[in-house]
Amino acid sequence: GENVEQHPSTLSVQEGDSAVIKCTYSDSASNYFPWYKQELGKRPQLIIDIRSNVGEKKDQRIAVTLNKTAKHFSLHITETQPEDSAVYFCAANGYSYGNKLVFGAGTILRVKS
Amino acid sequence: DGGITQSPKYLFRKEGQNVTLSCEQNLNHDAMYWYRQDPGQGLRLIYYSQIVNDFQKGDIAEGYSVSREKKESFPLTVTSAQKNPTAFYLCASSIRLRAQIGYFSNQPQHFGDGTRLSIL
Repeated sequence: GENVEQHPSTLSVQEGDSAVIKCTYSDSASNYFPWYKQELGKRPQLIIDIRSNVGEKKDQRIAVTLNKTAKHFSLHITETQPEDSAVYFCAANGYSYGNKLVFGAGTILRVKS
Repeated sequence: DGGITQSPKYLFRKEGQNVTLSCEQNLNHDAMYWYRQDPGQGLRLIYYSQIVNDFQKGDIAEGYSVSREKKESFPLTVTSAQKNPTAFYLCASSIRLRAQIGYFSNQPQHFGDGTRLSIL
């Protein structure tokens, strides 16, 4: 079945710097890759997603890149702000996993002001 | 998302007791999901349902049961067989979009606020 690994587990950046979180997946048939942001004690919220027919997608300060050959995808946050501090989860749909989402273990992002 | 309501927010279970977590959505979504979240870990799928009166086991279904009698409701029962139930439980829903015959494309999942279950 699908396996998703996420790195780093914690990331500290200075306000205004960029942050990059990387995920790798195992199922080459996976074609949908969402990213979720979860603040402490709250629900995960979808911040961006990408499908396998594109290599990059941007939404203001957030971007996601996908490398299907290497089976990895990354979240890029530019000009980080204190309110970006949260836990970020990547996920991939494992086609051989019944097309269900498999989540990474999460990255704790701390933006220091 | 205001369209998915989980209750209660906090729940305590005694030894040998079954407890039921509620999940209701008014988004007209066909698919609904239950996840368990433990500290420092990602979300793990317990059960999911693509349509009314049908549901499938996820990765960690042992000790849990569900029903899907109505489109808007997908309650989760944590049975006494689940020996380590302390966790944060999240319900999610999504539309079901047919991409081609026999295949439905993944659509964004929207989560409720969660229920935190603890053992007394």
